[in-house]
Amino acid sequence: AQKITQTQPGMFVQEKEAVTLDCTYDTSDPSYGLFWYKQPSSGEMIFLIYQGSYDQQNATEGRYSLNFQKARKSANLVISASQLGDSAMYFCAMRDSNDYKLSFGAGTTVTVRA
Amino acid sequence: SQTIHQWPATLVQPVGSPLSLECTVEGTSNPNLYWYRQAAGRGLQLLFYSVGIGQISSEVPQNLSASRPQDRQFILSSKKLLLSDSGFYLCAWSAGQSISYEQYFGPGTRLTVT
Repeated sequence: AQKITQTQPGMFVQEKEAVTLDCTYDTSDPSYGLFWYKQPSSGEMIFLIYQGSYDQQNATEGRYSLNFQKARKSANLVISASQLGDSAMYFCAMRDSNDYKLSFGAGTTVTVRA
Repeated sequence: SQTIHQWPATLVQPVGSPLSLECTVEGTSNPNLYWYRQAAGRGLQLLFYSVGIGQISSEVPQNLSASRPQDRQFILSSKKLLLSDSGFYLCAWSAGQSISYEQYFGPGTRLTVT
């Protein structure tokens, strides 16, 4: 069963503006972790940010922040002050306590325009 | 610091030929190791994971196999490649089984089966 849903296949954003990437998930496990990865055209997967299901505050890492709404099972990534180098594919992923693997969404392609 | 290596970076192989992709991790001991495959423009599919030497779990039945002959070495193999084996293969490691442990990915191998 699909656990992660990313409904935006592609997005355009103007340089220096913020962009929100949507992610919803499904699990019955109360203990889980949510991850966002960036994949530039080179192909390497770069870890961006992590949110635990029991974390009281939304995670932030530099220009990345995670809008975690537990009741709605959503974990949207916000990229502030977009830069040209942010152009990439972004994946939301989840791991629950019963699983070794990360379940990935289909990804969202972000294109930053100058 | 920890690093993860994969080789080769690209590979073109005929149908029916064998395959061997190698992944090594430096700077850590007893990592969890993973092999993922990514079809063009898609998310990642877990193929195999390993929690220790000689311990391999398969997620998807197919003509691929994996081995872990050393603590920090993970090998993906096939005796006879199929056209459907084409894709981008990513190796990853994590420090342990906690849900908070992110997975770190290698640079990947682009495999084209002709």
